[in-house]
Amino acid sequence: SQQGEEDPQALSIQEGENATMNCSYKTSINNLQWYRQNSGRGLVHLILIRSNEREKHSGRLRVTLDTSKKSSSLLITASRAADTASYFCATEWNEKLTFGTGTRLTIIP
Amino acid sequence: DAGVIQSPRHEVTEMGQEVTLRCKPISGHNSLFWYRQTMMRGLELLIYFNNNVPIDDSGMPEDRFSAKMPNASFSTLKIQPSEPRDSAVYFCASSLNTDKYFGPGTRLTVT
Repeated sequence: SQQGEEDPQALSIQEGENATMNCSYKTSINNLQWYRQNSGRGLVHLILIRSNEREKHSGRLRVTLDTSKKSSSLLITASRAADTASYFCATEWNEKLTFGTGTRLTIIP
Repeated sequence: DAGVIQSPRHEVTEMGQEVTLRCKPISGHNSLFWYRQTMMRGLELLIYFNNNVPIDDSGMPEDRFSAKMPNASFSTLKIQPSEPRDSAVYFCASSLNTDKYFGPGTRLTVT
């Protein structure tokens, strides 16, 4: 069964704006990861945040984790048309990765 | 490295036929995962192996599904007999530590 729930389910923004996606989960985790999936393609690992971390940056990506609220957010700054994709959070526990429902992000040029 | 390789990329078969999906993990990775993605259920973990040994197959839907990993460089997921509700994209992923690398997937259509 899916553990993560993401919101919004779909998000459309203008190129250059920031995009924020949220993820909630229900059980214990070792870490939380974010993946991107372009239409009809495989998943690409973006960033991982461990359960004892609160914030992590990678290029234009910023991830936060609040284990007390069992939630995470992914911020993409200065969005580009190429960022158009589906984004999934995934929680890992004992090597098992459980995916959320995903957010479909559309960047409008 | 070529990444995780899956074959075939597309498979169309009739209900009742046997289907075999193949995966070659990244060389040196010791864990391999099979996932299924559908619109209704999203991404589901079917089974994963560590050092060629099945660790958790609780996600395998039913006895029609079976997976093997005869060696560190090859795994198969077999569906016998196939049903229309098995139509999905099946992903294989491999990892050495935490980061998992996904293959391009096999799109299976059962008519």
